Amino acid sequence: EAGVAQSPRYKIIEKRQSVAFWCNPISGHATLYWYQQILGQGPKLLIQFQNNGVVDDSQLPKDRFSAERLKGVDSTLKIQPAKLEDSAVYLCASSPQHPLDGYTFGSGTRLTVV
Amino acid sequence: SQQGEEDPQALSIQEGENATMNCSYKTSINNLQWYRQNSGRGLVHLILIRSNEREKHSGRLRVTLDTSKKSSSLLITASRAADTASYFCANQAGTALIFGKGTTLSVSS
Repeated sequence: EAGVAQSPRYKIIEKRQSVAFWCNPISGHATLYWYQQILGQGPKLLIQFQNNGVVDDSQLPKDRFSAERLKGVDSTLKIQPAKLEDSAVYLCASSPQHPLDGYTFGSGTRLTVV
Repeated sequence: SQQGEEDPQALSIQEGENATMNCSYKTSINNLQWYRQNSGRGLVHLILIRSNEREKHSGRLRVTLDTSKKSSSLLITASRAADTASYFCANQAGTALIFGKGTTLSVSS
């Protein structure tokens, strides 16, 4: 079974630029999550999708972050404009219908904003 | 904040020793999961303990859950250098997981 694919692996941008991350979940997984992990901290949930609908985006800074999950499969997370404090690893995860089945995480995209 | 607190933040032990890390939440604990993260990599699911369970074993891992104290502990027995990683607890909130801040474990040979 293929894992959760994320790209790019690394990204360095200047502040005020825009950036986009892509995630392809495990085939058949209905739920997709984006987490932000700042160095030395645990992952923080940004947004959760169930198929192509948003379940929870209460922690997403909507003035600069946006995410979509077209056709309930792939997802993109965008930051525009980026700030220095957005430097973090952005992790995508997917799970079957119920979270007790366990999440599968991608390797993440490490974003550095300079 | 719903985020979990983990203790200790960092732990250094010798190979063969046991490692214990603890996790607590201010909110009620539902089904709790533990994850491992190697440096620069994604998280790997280790074990799930349901809210009606008190103890669970998986290989060298032993997890306990005390819902009255809103806390859990992870014990790794007979540690190996390959166990060097960060360990995170994650509490289920709805259909999402709320992670703790993590314990960084260093096992030296």
